[in-house]
Amino acid sequence: DTGVSQDPRHKITKRGQNVTFRCDPISEHNRLYWYRQTLGQGPEFLTYFQNEAQLEKSRLLSDRFSAERPKGSFSTLEIQRTEQGDSAMYLCASSLPLDYGYTFGSGTRLTVV
Amino acid sequence: DAKTTQPPSMDCAEGRAANLPCNHSTISGNEYVYWYRQIHSQGPQYIIHGLKNNETNEMASLIITEDRKSSTLILPHATLRDTAVYYCFGKTSYDKVIFGPGTSLSVIP
Repeated sequence: DTGVSQDPRHKITKRGQNVTFRCDPISEHNRLYWYRQTLGQGPEFLTYFQNEAQLEKSRLLSDRFSAERPKGSFSTLEIQRTEQGDSAMYLCASSLPLDYGYTFGSGTRLTVV
Repeated sequence: DAKTTQPPSMDCAEGRAANLPCNHSTISGNEYVYWYRQIHSQGPQYIIHGLKNNETNEMASLIITEDRKSSTLILPHATLRDTAVYYCFGKTSYDKVIFGPGTSLSVIP
């Protein structure tokens, strides 16, 4: 297990299209987090899962956004009807419940044109 | 979560120690001081954390003042690969990570 994997690395989509990103966490990590980062800003928390349960969602996660982790392993983040303001880096991280450090993936860069 | 204040940017000469300050005057007793960094086009990377005592690992040293209102991350011999944004924050082991704007460190040859 080499770390947290995110796919795709880059995605260009037209406004109004739906996109889905995938995150594969470190296998023994049961917590999984999604963050969004725009240019020049620190990452912003979106949501997190413990196993398959989504325990918290930020108000940044509008109703066009949905995240799932159906079997407590990989997770998907879907954005429906994309807008130009959705252009950002989407980061995934995983951890153990009381682990003090998150392991982040390299992110998916979304560009909405 | 504790509110933290960091300088927006710093420079450091290659090979010298980089000392990155962080103020966290509102940190509560059960919150740890954490440091992460983010190299351009990569995800953030955990560096170190501490509660009261100074800590050292293979990446850096963390010096926390006795009143816990501030801390300093020390990179003892900065290299060009240490050029990154460094984030400091306080959190308990249960909290999620909340990033501020951080300090952009430039290591200069």
